[in-house]
Amino acid sequence: DVKVTQSSRYLVKRTGEKVFLECVQDMDHENMFWYRQDPGLGLRLIYFSYDVKMKEKGDIPEGYSVSREKKERFSLILESASTNQTSMYLCASSDGAGGNQPQHFGDGTRLSIL
Amino acid sequence: GEDVEQSLFLSVREGDSSVINCTYTDSSSTYLYWYKQEPGAGLQLLTYIFSNMDMKQDQRLTVLLNKKDKHLSLRIADTQTGDSAIYFCAESMRGYSSASKIIFGSGTRLSIRP
Repeated sequence: DVKVTQSSRYLVKRTGEKVFLECVQDMDHENMFWYRQDPGLGLRLIYFSYDVKMKEKGDIPEGYSVSREKKERFSLILESASTNQTSMYLCASSDGAGGNQPQHFGDGTRLSIL
Repeated sequence: GEDVEQSLFLSVREGDSSVINCTYTDSSSTYLYWYKQEPGAGLQLLTYIFSNMDMKQDQRLTVLLNKKDKHLSLRIADTQTGDSAIYFCAESMRGYSSASKIIFGSGTRLSIRP
């Protein structure tokens, strides 16, 4: 089974802090994704990566950056956290072969910015 | 534009069948997915269907695809309390390098009555 592991289930940080959310997958997947999930807005894509050191902006990249130094790890960075970044963050990965492969999700990190 | 729509709530009696409906807009979608999200957890891939198929059955789950109407449905037979969750319909779209972009609906919250 595919395993996508997010380092924290719950996280509380203060406004202005630099926040790192970590995600690791164990299936040698090429593609990795970061989403945020908010009530009434569904899932929105923040950033994704289709290869090591490659990244692409999703639909809402403002206020975020990402890092993919190794194939299995994809980090989401909040450079200076703000209260409107309080949300549930979901990481996903998919096999790159042929494209259109289903995405497999981690359990999510519920982040609160005070 | 890209859009996936589904109703927000569905309530069914335990033991009855649940039918969750979804409409999508992109006729070039190659895969359509159903994900399940239990409270406080990430999204779990339930099943998916290729766009050249009309139906897929997997134990209690039946997926029906009407490409002409761009309509997808998920039927859960003999609904149990453990089926209580939010169900997301999603379609895949090529476009971002080799990674597939997935568009999610807002989710249908399924609740089970005794």
